[in-house]
Amino acid sequence: DAGVIQSPRHEVTEMGQEVTLRCKPISGHDYLFWYRQTMMRGLELLIYFNNNVPIDDSGMPEDRFSAKMPNASFSTLKIQPSEPRDSAVYFCASGVTEMNTEAFFGQGTRLTVV
Amino acid sequence: GENVEQHPSTLSVQEGDSAVIKCTYSDSASNYFPWYKQELGKRPQLIIDIRSNVGEKKDQRIAVTLNKTAKHFSLHITETQPEDSAVYFCAATSNQAGTALIFGKGTTLSVSS
Repeated sequence: DAGVIQSPRHEVTEMGQEVTLRCKPISGHDYLFWYRQTMMRGLELLIYFNNNVPIDDSGMPEDRFSAKMPNASFSTLKIQPSEPRDSAVYFCASGVTEMNTEAFFGQGTRLTVV
Repeated sequence: GENVEQHPSTLSVQEGDSAVIKCTYSDSASNYFPWYKQELGKRPQLIIDIRSNVGEKKDQRIAVTLNKTAKHFSLHITETQPEDSAVYFCAATSNQAGTALIFGKGTTLSVSS
């Protein structure tokens, strides 16, 4: 398995533009997590899904952020409109948590909003 | 919900010394405590984990201890090497439905030779 795959790896966009981040979890994993990493706040949980259903989105900073998981092999995180303070590294991770096991991270998407 | 505090935020040691990173958690239902290492520009990767039914676990130069009564757990790295330099994150979660890994803010470890 290639692991968790995220795209794009880097994204530079202008303030006000829509940004879509993509994630393909490891096949067979039933949990998918979106985290945001900044120097100030560390790794923040934004939202997570279980069997494609959003379980907790209380970490989503504002209505500008939305996430979907239309099927077991794909998820998106969308920011519309983007702002400079959204600049961060966004990680997707997947796992099988029936036994509380490891969460596997993707390579991350480095987002810069100018 | 769960809250994880991690200290120190930065740690500098000489090669060969030991390093200790400490974390506390708030949710008494948490029973799984992993540690992740993140090298510069890379993804976090699991290095060791511990479950609430044990108090200590070792893997070569790294060990983790857990005190459930006090709700704290620690990472110990012995005989540090320059390649141990990275950001280390602790995390906690439970196996209750609707829970997820909550991370501490990370510790930047620098090992100088």
